[in-house]
Amino acid sequence: LAKTTQPISMDSYEGQEVNITCSHNNIATNDYITWYQQFPSQGPRFIIQGYKTKVTNEVASLFIPADRKSSTLSLPRVSLSDTAVYYCLVGDKGNQGGKLIFGQGTELSVKP
Amino acid sequence: AAGVIQSPRHLIKEKRETATLKCYPIPRHDTVYWYQQGPGQDPQFLISFYEKMQSDKGSIPDRFSAQQFSDYHSELNMSSLELGDSALYFCASSRGDTTRDTQYFGPGTRLTVL
Repeated sequence: LAKTTQPISMDSYEGQEVNITCSHNNIATNDYITWYQQFPSQGPRFIIQGYKTKVTNEVASLFIPADRKSSTLSLPRVSLSDTAVYYCLVGDKGNQGGKLIFGQGTELSVKP
Repeated sequence: AAGVIQSPRHLIKEKRETATLKCYPIPRHDTVYWYQQGPGQDPQFLISFYEKMQSDKGSIPDRFSAQQFSDYHSELNMSSLELGDSALYFCASSRGDTTRDTQYFGPGTRLTVL
């Protein structure tokens, strides 16, 4: 299984861009990188997924270098409501299906 | 848009009792996952089903069992409850069971064992 490493916590201010980097040195060829957001006592919410290069949607961008050993979630112009825990997950594909293995996420605190 | 439905949302049980948690996936989703999240911990995978068959098993105690029914809803049965079973239990559903298939989580069931 590919292990992920993220910062435990990050602080930011409203309106700033936040970049959270995740390391996954043992990522397998077929693995995808997925980011989830979780508010207290709520189910995780899908943010973005990618395989290589750059992916962008209406809420975030995901940058993945060519070696795929890391990825960076970019949240543009954060607001107070972006305060949450962000999880980087590397999919466990193949015979073991699509279960998500949650490591320690990054607790983002956005201040006014 | 329809989301994953879990019931009940809150459940209080005594030690050694049994509990049944239900999950109704998003329509046309064929895969259900169960996760457990203890206080201050990260979600942990318990078990999953694809097309009504168990597809994977994680750190699920032998006291727990689950199944997926013909209408794709799933139930997690928990017996001989222990204090340590107190947690949030999330169900997630997806269309397909691979890494690329986005999982959508329900609001969770908060189980408290006294």
